[in-house]
Amino acid sequence: EVQLVESGGGVVRPGGSLRLSCSTSGFTFSTYWMTWVRQAPGKGLEWLASIKPDGSEKYTVDSVKGRFTMSRDNAENSLFLQMNSLRAEDAAVYYCARVSGRSSYDADYWGQGTLVTVSS
Amino acid sequence: QSVLTQPPSVSGAPGQRVTISCTGSSSNIGANYDVHWYQQYPGIAPKLLIYGNNKRPSGVPDRFSGSKSGTSASLAITGLQAEDEADYFCQSYDISLSVVVFGGGTSLTVL
Repeated sequence: EVQLVESGGGVVRPGGSLRLSCSTSGFTFSTYWMTWVRQAPGKGLEWLASIKPDGSEKYTVDSVKGRFTMSRDNAENSLFLQMNSLRAEDAAVYYCARVSGRSSYDADYWGQGTLVTVSS
Repeated sequence: QSVLTQPPSVSGAPGQRVTISCTGSSSNIGANYDVHWYQQYPGIAPKLLIYGNNKRPSGVPDRFSGSKSGTSASLAITGLQAEDEADYFCQSYDISLSVVVFGGGTSLTVL
């Protein structure tokens, strides 16, 4: 069974940092593109970043470029999102998801999400 | 403002057919990028409903179907059931922005 479990969310002050983790199992992690998607309270979905199976290529949306860094550890089947210089508008539920590879960027498995609150 | 435009809400009675539109432009849907659809219940992660414009992942009922034409796509739900009450999001890729884009979401109410 494919499983993705995020952790690391919490309350952080503006300007602070958090590192989100996504632990995966049930599939060959090292062969899939992975992605982070966030959803602000009561809002829609925002695709944040994607990373190639071997980690050699990453794509990050402009709104977080230079502040958020996505990485992966294929030996540990884990995905990470380092978030620095957090702003109030970064408050959201953060999901990690697997990109299926069957089409263009469709995410076929998602974690349960981890909540990030940015507040002073 | 989302790059892909969806109606904020749609509704239908049990058993009826509803459609949800997703309007893009020549830099995303019209550029021949695939459209995917997700279903999301409150407080729960999105679930892939349709991928590649019109394909259903294993386990998704055939009451759900997708189509694409020009710069728009649609999700159709037939035989509406109470359990279909959820939010639905479309997704594609925008070549001008070089980013994956989502629609703003549509809330489906089953009357």
